[in-house]
Amino acid sequence: GENVEQHPSTLSVQEGDSAVIKCTYSDSASNYFPWYKQELGKGPQLIIDIRSNVGEKKDQRIAVTLNKTAKHFSLHITETQPEDSAVYFCAAAPPTSGTYKYIFGTGTRLKVLA
Amino acid sequence: DTAVSQTPKYLVTQMGNDKSIKCEQNLGHDTMYWYKQDSKKFLKIMFSYNNKELIINETVPNRFSPKSPDKAHLNLHINSLELGDSAVYFCASSQVGGGGYTFGSGTRLTVV
Repeated sequence: GENVEQHPSTLSVQEGDSAVIKCTYSDSASNYFPWYKQELGKGPQLIIDIRSNVGEKKDQRIAVTLNKTAKHFSLHITETQPEDSAVYFCAAAPPTSGTYKYIFGTGTRLKVLA
Repeated sequence: DTAVSQTPKYLVTQMGNDKSIKCEQNLGHDTMYWYKQDSKKFLKIMFSYNNKELIINETVPNRFSPKSPDKAHLNLHINSLELGDSAVYFCASSQVGGGGYTFGSGTRLTVV
């Protein structure tokens, strides 16, 4: 089955700097890769996603890149702000019975220092 | 309006008890899920229902029994609770082929 590894487990950056979180996946059939942000006491929220037919996607300060050959994808946050502090999860979704069964990475706790 | 709502938000109970967590979504999604998040924040799928039909059932003790009375509701009943069941349980929903999950805010279950 699918396995997703996520690094680093914790990341501290100065406000205004960039943050990069990396994930690798094992199942080449996976074709959908979402990223979630989880704030304290809340459920994970989708912040950006990418499908396997696209190499890069941007949404304001957030971007995701996908390398299908190497089976890895990354989240890039530029001009970080204190409100970006949270736990971030990547996920890979192999097609399963027509629905998306996500396999999540182990999470990255991002701290943005003011 | 809350898209995916779970009740209760907190649940403290003694070992051996039976408890239920309820989930409702008003997004019109046809697929719902239960995920378990342990103390290390690891998220693992437990069950998935599509239009009231069970389609994913991971290796979960049979003390856990999901029930979907309609496609907008997915409840989780847990029998004979054990200390190791303590975790945060998240309900989520999605549209088939539509990608992203919408998660509820979670139910923190503490078994004492």
